[in-house]
Amino acid sequence: QKEVEQDPGPLSVPEGAIVSLNCTYSNSAFQYFMWYRQYSRKGPELLMYTYSSGNKEDGRFTAQVDKSSKYISLFIRDSQPSDSATYLCAMSAGSNDYKLSFGAGTTVTVRA
Amino acid sequence: NAGVTQTPKFQVLKTGQSMTLQCAQDMNHNSMYWYRQDPGMGLRLIYYSASEGTTDKGEVPNGYNVSRLNKREFSLRLESAAPSQTSVYFCASRTGVGLAHNEQFFGPGTRLTVL
Repeated sequence: QKEVEQDPGPLSVPEGAIVSLNCTYSNSAFQYFMWYRQYSRKGPELLMYTYSSGNKEDGRFTAQVDKSSKYISLFIRDSQPSDSATYLCAMSAGSNDYKLSFGAGTTVTVRA
Repeated sequence: NAGVTQTPKFQVLKTGQSMTLQCAQDMNHNSMYWYRQDPGMGLRLIYYSASEGTTDKGEVPNGYNVSRLNKREFSLRLESAAPSQTSVYFCASRTGVGLAHNEQFFGPGTRLTVL
């Protein structure tokens, strides 16, 4: 079983819909949680960064972390065609953990 | 700042050929990484360098070697390429300081095909 599980989709939604993405993990030591966005034929870029449990909002994007359930989510409100991309969750343990554990990525298409 | 740069962008090799993928970062980061990305597999760590002068194996190191040439540059070498190494290769670097110290910055990738 993988350390980080993410449904690869693909997910197709109409413009303006709410996109809901999630990952589950097995390592209770994870404390830092990230969402990366990757456009086709590009490198991943950081979208959201959270520490421990709770919510974080940035514009149309909201990241949630539930450490008790080992479950993280990313919500995209009022989705736009420009949000069409692959979204990867990533996580790491302590400050001295040099490595990130990635989910497989979910491919999202927002239809105009 | 150019961020993380990778060369070449594309490469086609025949089985058994060797090549080196180059990576450089201009953000003064201490840690650098090499990943491969295959459909449905996400990003898998090949090797990483926590700091200049050190390298460590990641999840899938077999068939690869690395060199941390200096703080800026981290190269990945395939000594005898195999079709199983057909993939997209990403280099990344990590600041290691500040609130988002675990954030990794990625290069544009190298698309490698081994025939």
